[in-house]
Amino acid sequence: KQEVTQIPAALSVPEGENLVLNCSFTDSAIYNLQWFRQDPGKGLTSLLLIQSSQREQTSGRLNASLDKSSGRSTLYIAASQPGDSATYLCAVHDYKLSFGAGTTVTVRA
Amino acid sequence: NAGVTQTPKFRILKIGQSMTLQCTQDMNHNYMYWYRQDPGMGLKLIYYSVGAGITDKGEVPNGYNVSRSTTEDFPLRLELAAPSQTSVYFCASSATGLANYGYTFGSGTRLTVV
Repeated sequence: KQEVTQIPAALSVPEGENLVLNCSFTDSAIYNLQWFRQDPGKGLTSLLLIQSSQREQTSGRLNASLDKSSGRSTLYIAASQPGDSATYLCAVHDYKLSFGAGTTVTVRA
Repeated sequence: NAGVTQTPKFRILKIGQSMTLQCTQDMNHNYMYWYRQDPGMGLKLIYYSVGAGITDKGEVPNGYNVSRSTTEDFPLRLELAAPSQTSVYFCASSATGLANYGYTFGSGTRLTVV
């Protein structure tokens, strides 16, 4: 059974600092990995999708890496802003999507 | 383009009542999913469908039923509501189950059973 773990569970940083969010998974036989953002009381917004054959994916200030052999992905957010405050969820796709519990980020102005 | 639409957004049920959570997608996606999210937890898969007429159980199917008569619609039925079913429910869809495609989520239904 696929287990997805996200560390840390919560993170508070001053504005401008770079964010590093970690995701680990137990079964490396995945199709892809997806990072989502969830604002309080809202649905999930897809941020980045990394296919199993890729090592990283970038969108603006966001960069996600994938190391399938070690079962790890890292989401980097450069020059954080208060608007980046949200919960970030990692999900791996084998025959279904398995989610971590998320990292709740607070960026202090 | 509406994407994935869920109704209702909020609902309060009494123990033992029944209800249907509606989910519709307009992207012609074959795969559809129902997840629940409990506070501080990741999303857990309830049921999924790989196409019209085909459904299968996920991790936590007990107390729920689904049907998929069309590509667009994937309703989730709660027959006898219990307090343990208090949660936020998300519907999602994807074009296929394979590598190139991500998932699109609806905005969720917040259900409270009292």
